[in-house]
Amino acid sequence: GNSVTQMEGPVTLSEEAFLTINCTYTATGYPSLFWYVQYPGEGLQLLLKATKADDKGSNKGFEATYRKETTSFHLEKGSVQVSDSAVYFCALSDPNSGNTPLVFGKGTRLSVIA
Amino acid sequence: GAGVSQSPSNKVTEKGKDVELRCDPISGHTALYWYRQSLGQGLEFLIYFQGNSAPDKSGLPSDRFSAERTGGSVSTLTIQRTQQEDSAVYLCASSPAGTPGNTIYFGEGSWLTVV
Repeated sequence: GNSVTQMEGPVTLSEEAFLTINCTYTATGYPSLFWYVQYPGEGLQLLLKATKADDKGSNKGFEATYRKETTSFHLEKGSVQVSDSAVYFCALSDPNSGNTPLVFGKGTRLSVIA
Repeated sequence: GAGVSQSPSNKVTEKGKDVELRCDPISGHTALYWYRQSLGQGLEFLIYFQGNSAPDKSGLPSDRFSAERTGGSVSTLTIQRTQQEDSAVYLCASSPAGTPGNTIYFGEGSWLTVV
């Protein structure tokens, strides 16, 4: 079945540090890939997405590239800020699974300290 | 409304009681999803509606859980005879259609505590 594996947290970084959160997936077809973010006390919101191989999603300084050869969609940001502290979820949507909804990873908590 | 609305936002209930959680999706969204978020467990899919029908109920953890959607809009998730392990945040989401690749939009969740 479809699954998403992302790096265990928590991740603690100093402000302006480089961030990578790894995400790999298993899917029967060619999924669309997503990163969602959950800020403290808020609901999940879409951060970025990519719908086909080699696409790069980007938003708020975050980027992730859909790598079919490594089945990965790692999230990166060059210089994190305290306001980026949140839980980040990698997810996939597989068109070969009909209307199956998003499958999420377990989430990675990021804490950025000043 | 502008976003997905869930109620109650917080609910404390005694073990063995029934609870109902309500979700009002974004207007015009035909697909509606329920997920459960438990501490350290990530997001667990429960059920998905396309219009009023539920083509995928595979995630409901037991027969104590049920959900319905009427008029292609509001959905209710019911948990009967609640247990302490049901304590979690119950998240509702909607999307314009159940098409893979569509962004889905989440509500802020209903925090359920079973004591």
